[in-house]
Amino acid sequence: GENVEQHPSTLSVQEGDSAVIKCTYSDSASNYFPWYKQELGKRPQLIIDIRSNVGEKKDQRIAVTLNKTAKHFSLHITETQPEDSAVYFCAARGQGGKLIFGQGTELSVKP
Amino acid sequence: GAVVSQHPSRVICKSGTSVKIECRSLDFQATTMFWYRQFPKKSLMLMATSNEGSKATYEQGVEKDKFLINHASLTLSTLTVTSAHPEDSSFYICSATRGGGLSNQPQHFGDGTRLSIL
Repeated sequence: GENVEQHPSTLSVQEGDSAVIKCTYSDSASNYFPWYKQELGKRPQLIIDIRSNVGEKKDQRIAVTLNKTAKHFSLHITETQPEDSAVYFCAARGQGGKLIFGQGTELSVKP
Repeated sequence: GAVVSQHPSRVICKSGTSVKIECRSLDFQATTMFWYRQFPKKSLMLMATSNEGSKATYEQGVEKDKFLINHASLTLSTLTVTSAHPEDSSFYICSATRGGGLSNQPQHFGDGTRLSIL
């Protein structure tokens, strides 16, 4: 069935460093790949998304890359700040519009 | 601001109680809504796809008689956890997409409902 694998499960960086989170998906028909940030007890917040006709997208300190051939996409956060600390989820949209989520990455940015 | 409203935010009740959770799209019509369940420090697990005017589509392993979904209008879907037991305790979140499930729009999430069964 549809599956999304996300790595690493935890990531600790120093403030100002970059953070990279990687995901792979199994459904070759997936055409939309959002990234969500979730703080403890809160709803997931969309931070960036990319569609299958684009290889890269950037929004200030956040960028996402997509390799459709390899079924692989990544989130890049540059110049990390303590407020970036949260759990990040990648997702792939498959049949019927449903999102399949990765396992999540707990990012910790140390001041 | 929020485009999807979920209510209640927290429920604490005794075992055997049935609990209803509402999910509303605030300024758009949602023909499709999604219900997720999230355990502490875990990912969001899709439970079912709620379709306005028709039966919900449940994911494998989700008991349809346990988790009743009703999508009676274009702005409201409800999830009822019937005869809840402690193992049903979890964080339940709904989402909706402008233009329907197959649209090119992002999914917007409700604030979630933390359900605690004693």
